[in-house]
Amino acid sequence: EAGVAQSPRYKIIEKRQSVAFWCNPISGHATLYWYQQILGQGPKLLIQFQNNGVVDDSQLPKDRFSAERLKGVDSTLKIQPAKLEDSAVYLCASSLGSYTQYFGPGTRLTVL
Amino acid sequence: GNSVTQMEGPVTLSEEAFLTINCTYTATGYPSLFWYVQYPGEGLQLLLKATKADDKGSNKGFEATYRKETTSFHLEKGSVQVSDSAVYFCALTGGSQGNLIFGKGTKLSVKP
Repeated sequence: EAGVAQSPRYKIIEKRQSVAFWCNPISGHATLYWYQQILGQGPKLLIQFQNNGVVDDSQLPKDRFSAERLKGVDSTLKIQPAKLEDSAVYLCASSLGSYTQYFGPGTRLTVL
Repeated sequence: GNSVTQMEGPVTLSEEAFLTINCTYTATGYPSLFWYVQYPGEGLQLLLKATKADDKGSNKGFEATYRKETTSFHLEKGSVQVSDSAVYFCALTGGSQGNLIFGKGTKLSVKP
């Protein structure tokens, strides 16, 4: 069974630029999560989708971050404009309903 | 809200030593508890889980018991190997939607 796929694996941008990350969850998993992991900390939930609807985006900085999940499968997370403090690893995870979450390898973002 | 506190790292052990990584939690209701592991350059992998009080999760020689009376979920392994070197995260379900709340992680280094 293929795991959660993410791309790109690494991205370096200047502050105020925009960036987008892509995630393809495990086939059949209805729930998709985006987490932000700052160096030295545990992952923090940004947004949770159930199929193509948003379940929880309470910790998403909506002035600069946006996410969508078209057709209830792939998802993209966008940052526009990026700030220095957005430097982190962005993790995508998926699950069947509210059960065990499976994580992708992550995208390491560096904002200069 | 729900939260997790785990012991600070790094932890350095010799091969075949006994491992304990402490994790305590604060929660309303009856959360599920998890240990995830992150090997260098890789994404998070589920190591073990427990869904109710007194459950013991186990995998790859690692064990943790859900202790409601002490609100703890300590990770143990009787004999660590160099290949166990990684960052270990304790987590619990944060709410009704199943999202995870993570501790800050504990880095383990095992020396031959």
